Amino acid sequence: EDKVVQSPLSLVVHEGDTVTLNCSYEVTNFRSLLWYKQEKKAPTFLFMLTSSGIEKKSGRLSSILDKKELFSILNITATQTGDSAIYLCAVTRDDKIIFGKGTRLHILP
Amino acid sequence: NAGVTQTPKFRILKIGQSMTLQCAQDMNHNYMYWYRQDPGMGLKLIYYSVGAGITDKGEVPNGYNVSRSTTEDFPLRLELAAPSQTSVYFCASSYSILLAGWYPNNEQFFGPGTRLTVL
Repeated sequence: EDKVVQSPLSLVVHEGDTVTLNCSYEVTNFRSLLWYKQEKKAPTFLFMLTSSGIEKKSGRLSSILDKKELFSILNITATQTGDSAIYLCAVTRDDKIIFGKGTRLHILP
Repeated sequence: NAGVTQTPKFRILKIGQSMTLQCAQDMNHNYMYWYRQDPGMGLKLIYYSVGAGITDKGEVPNGYNVSRSTTEDFPLRLELAAPSQTSVYFCASSYSILLAGWYPNNEQFFGPGTRLTVL
């Protein structure tokens, strides 16, 4: 059965800390891995990863995929209170998209 | 651009009632998706569409129907609502097919969600 597992489920850090969020997967016919940030309402897209070892970067956020070990990490450096959110990982195969349960990140001022 | 819009924002149904969740996008995207998100869970794909007149089942299609008569609109129909359908429903769209991952920077845009409670 296809699955996407995120860890930790929740995380509380202080502003300025660096955090690493994990996403592991077992999916047949893998196509891509996606990261989203979900605040109060709908998710917003962060990254799509399709190739191993190529880091994607956007400001203080970066992500990388390891297709051999079947996982991805999302790094956030110099965290700010506005980074508080649920971070969702999803994996697409040819006919569906499977989401993890998310990591709830809370940044303390 | 309004992006992806959904109506209503909230709805309470009785068991056995029917309703249609509306979704529209003004970005001329071919691909549209319906998800549900249960409390403490990730999103699950209900149905998706690759263009007007073409729809396909996702992971959890039972109890739902969709239609895509225009590029802009992708309504989700609930027939005979059940308590198990209590959830937050998100509509989304993308320029190209997200499922295939063919476009490295393909972005999926989400609507604000509809919170549905079935009592």
